Amino acid sequence: NAGVTQTPKFRILKIGQSMTLQCTQDMNHNYMYWYRQDPGMGLKLIYYSVGAGITDKGEVPNGYNVSRSTTEDFPLRLELAAPSQTSVYFCASSYPRASGRPSTDTQYFGPGTRLTVL
Amino acid sequence: QKEVEQNSGPLSVPEGAIASLNCTYSDRGSQSFFWYRQYSGKSPELIMFIYSNGDKEDGRFTAQLNKASQYVSLLIRDSQPSDSATYLCAVNQGAQKLVFGQGTRLTINP
Repeated sequence: NAGVTQTPKFRILKIGQSMTLQCTQDMNHNYMYWYRQDPGMGLKLIYYSVGAGITDKGEVPNGYNVSRSTTEDFPLRLELAAPSQTSVYFCASSYPRASGRPSTDTQYFGPGTRLTVL
Repeated sequence: QKEVEQNSGPLSVPEGAIASLNCTYSDRGSQSFFWYRQYSGKSPELIMFIYSNGDKEDGRFTAQLNKASQYVSLLIRDSQPSDSATYLCAVNQGAQKLVFGQGTRLTINP
């Protein structure tokens, strides 16, 4: 298994440009997530999905959009890029186990995309 | 805002000593807690999780949870230079969503 893969690894955008960050997982995980990590900071959740066709906002969704048409893919779209979106973006996935107890599901992270907006 | 707080460090520990990393959280309803390790320029990887009060040991790592004090810690025994990394505390606040602290940068000095 390749696990969680992300493309591209690096990208420089000009202000106002758009792009899509790709994320694919081959572990048949239902849950997928997009985080951003600013320098010296923890991860902040942008969007997440509990299955194909179902997405929801996280803590910092403004300026981003997502879609989930298949179990494997969860692309993140940036419209009208701004310098504040300069960050490292991580995609993650997890498989929910039995309900009725505290969730201890492991999130598996992709290698990240380093985005700079100038 | 439901917060997770960590001392950002850097925390410097001599090789072979015990490294102690701390985390507090604000949401009293939080039920499960995770420690991730992140090497510079890499993605986070899970070290261990805990959801019951007390200690949980896994090799050189021990997680400690005190829900009354809203406090979770990670002890690393016999610290090695390869343990030098940023350690992220994360709290599950429902619907499989994790809230992360800002991370503590740990340096093990040979």
